[in-house]
Amino acid sequence: NAGVTQTPKFRILKIGQSMTLQCTQDMNHNYMYWYRQDPGMGLKLIYYSVGAGITDKGEVPNGYNVSRSTTEDFPLRLELAAPSQTSVYFCASSYSIRKGHNEQFFGPGTRLTVL
Amino acid sequence: KQEVTQIPAALSVPEGENLVLNCSFTDSAIYNLQWFRQDPGKGLTSLLLIQSSQREQTSGRLNASLDKSSGRSTLYIAASQPGDSATYLCAAPKAAGNKLTFGGGTRVLVKP
Repeated sequence: NAGVTQTPKFRILKIGQSMTLQCTQDMNHNYMYWYRQDPGMGLKLIYYSVGAGITDKGEVPNGYNVSRSTTEDFPLRLELAAPSQTSVYFCASSYSIRKGHNEQFFGPGTRLTVL
Repeated sequence: KQEVTQIPAALSVPEGENLVLNCSFTDSAIYNLQWFRQDPGKGLTSLLLIQSSQREQTSGRLNASLDKSSGRSTLYIAASQPGDSATYLCAAPKAAGNKLTFGGGTRVLVKP
């Protein structure tokens, strides 16, 4: 298994541009998550999904959108990029929330800079 | 709202010394607690996951304890090595949804 993969690894955007961060997992996990990590800080949850067709907001959802059309993919969309969205974005997944199956696995991250 | 704190933010020890990393959380109604390792510029690697019903979990030189009543978890790394140098993050979800709340991390440097 490749686990959780993210593309691109790096991206520089101009203010007002839009882009989609891709996330794919091949572990047949139901739950998927998007986090952002600002320099020297822990991670904060942006959006999450409990299965195909179901998404919900996390702690810091403003400025982002998600969709979950398949079990494998969970793209994160930035519509109007702002400097405050400069961060490292991590995608994660877990099989379920039940004990023994709730460990979260993370992708390598996408480093985004908005100038 | 759950708040997770890791103190100290940075730690430097000589090689061979045991490492003790602390994690505190404000809401004891956690589902589990997960410890991660993050190398500079890299993603997160899961080290240990302790379910809410467990008091500790061990993997090789790593041992993590959980005390829900006091809102604390401790990660012990025995006989530290320079390769253990990294940032260690703890995270705890509340019951449903498994949404993790992260601490700010402890940056560890093990000097040869």
